[in-house]
Amino acid sequence: QVTLKESGPGILQPSQTLSLTCTFSGFSLSTYGMGVGWIRQPSGKGLEWLANIWWDDDKYYNPSLKNRLTISKDTSNNQAFLKITNVDTADTATYYCARIGLQPLDYWGQGVMVTVSS
Amino acid sequence: DIVMTQSPFSLAVSEGEMVTINCKSSQSLLSSGNQKNYLAWYQQKPGQSPKLLIYYASTRQSGVPDRFIGSGSGTDFTLTISDVQAEDLADYYCLQHYSSPLTFGSGTKLEIK
Repeated sequence: QVTLKESGPGILQPSQTLSLTCTFSGFSLSTYGMGVGWIRQPSGKGLEWLANIWWDDDKYYNPSLKNRLTISKDTSNNQAFLKITNVDTADTATYYCARIGLQPLDYWGQGVMVTVSS
Repeated sequence: DIVMTQSPFSLAVSEGEMVTINCKSSQSLLSSGNQKNYLAWYQQKPGQSPKLLIYYASTRQSGVPDRFIGSGSGTDFTLTISDVQAEDLADYYCLQHYSSPLTFGSGTKLEIK
């Protein structure tokens, strides 16, 4: 059974760094072809893909966030991470992680709400 | 970046009716290597995470009812829901995963009369 769960700080101030963790089970990021993606959704709005990391540590980022994103993984502990630097109110959203297997983003976590406010 | 243009923004139907949701990509999503279209459809019910319905444009994910049908190729794609049920109340999104950055359509809100 594949499960994913996101965790994060809940609230942070503008200019701080947002650190998110995705803890998963039912698959391994050391398995050929596996990946984890991060997606966010502001309240009442659509979905925005942020980044992917693959079993071979290959990484892809959404260029709209320029150089603010860093994705990483800890294969031994079945975790993936996303950092977003220099946050502002536009980064307020629910953040999801999702597995990428034979199908794209086939299993999603429940999401974690992040609010950026001074 | 590949732009995904999704329509309509919203629609309201009665149970038992059929709906179609459209997604148009700014570039072809058809791979010449394997002849697969890298287009997926997701359903997001209120308060829930998105759920994968269709991948490779027309392949239903395991457990998805056969009233959900994906079609299309190249740049034009359609999600058809036949015999709409009350439980289909949701937002629907298309996603292209042909090239990075992955891009979603803007979403379609399905309401049940």
